[in-house]
Amino acid sequence: KQEVTQIPAALSVPEGENLVLNCSFTDSAIYNLQWFRQDPGKGLTSLLLIQSSQREQTSGRLNASLDKSSGRSTLYIAASQPGDSATYLCAVGGQAGTALIFGKGTTLSVSS
Amino acid sequence: GAVVSQHPSRVICKSGTSVKIECRSLDFQATTMFWYRQFPKQSLMLMATSNEGSKATYEQGVEKDKFLINHASLTLSTLTVTSAHPEDSSFYICSARGATVGSTDTQYFGPGTRLTVL
Repeated sequence: KQEVTQIPAALSVPEGENLVLNCSFTDSAIYNLQWFRQDPGKGLTSLLLIQSSQREQTSGRLNASLDKSSGRSTLYIAASQPGDSATYLCAVGGQAGTALIFGKGTTLSVSS
Repeated sequence: GAVVSQHPSRVICKSGTSVKIECRSLDFQATTMFWYRQFPKQSLMLMATSNEGSKATYEQGVEKDKFLINHASLTLSTLTVTSAHPEDSSFYICSARGATVGSTDTQYFGPGTRLTVL
């Protein structure tokens, strides 16, 4: 059974720092991997989607990498801002059309 | 494009009552919808998979008679929490997958429904 782990569970950084959030999964036979942002009490905002054949995706200050063979993905946030404060969730899709399996998330706090 | 809505966004009910939550794909046809539940400071856990016109498939440990799912059309799925109890209080999120939306098998998530059972 696929399990997704995110480390660290919480992270506090000063504004301007570059940071890395980690995600690991136990079954490397994934279809895709997605990073989401969740603000307190709110729904999910999709940040980046990486297909299993891809190594990385970039959007603005965000860069997500995928190493399927080692079961790892990282989300890199450059020049962090207070507005980046939120919980970041990693989710993997096992097969096309199946539900996503989520990690517990990393709660990020960026202080000004 | 690819917007999913949920209604209501927040509901408070008394113990023993039933609550219906709607999930709609606004601009695409959703062949499959998924229902997730999120407890405070926990991850999203899949409850059931709903395919249009067929019975939902429930995850282990989820009572199908308590959480009734209906996916009667390609744009609407409903989750009814029957005889709700305080332990059912949670954040319920749906996602929709449409075969015609892009080619990357993306799921689009609704904004969630906060259920509080008193």
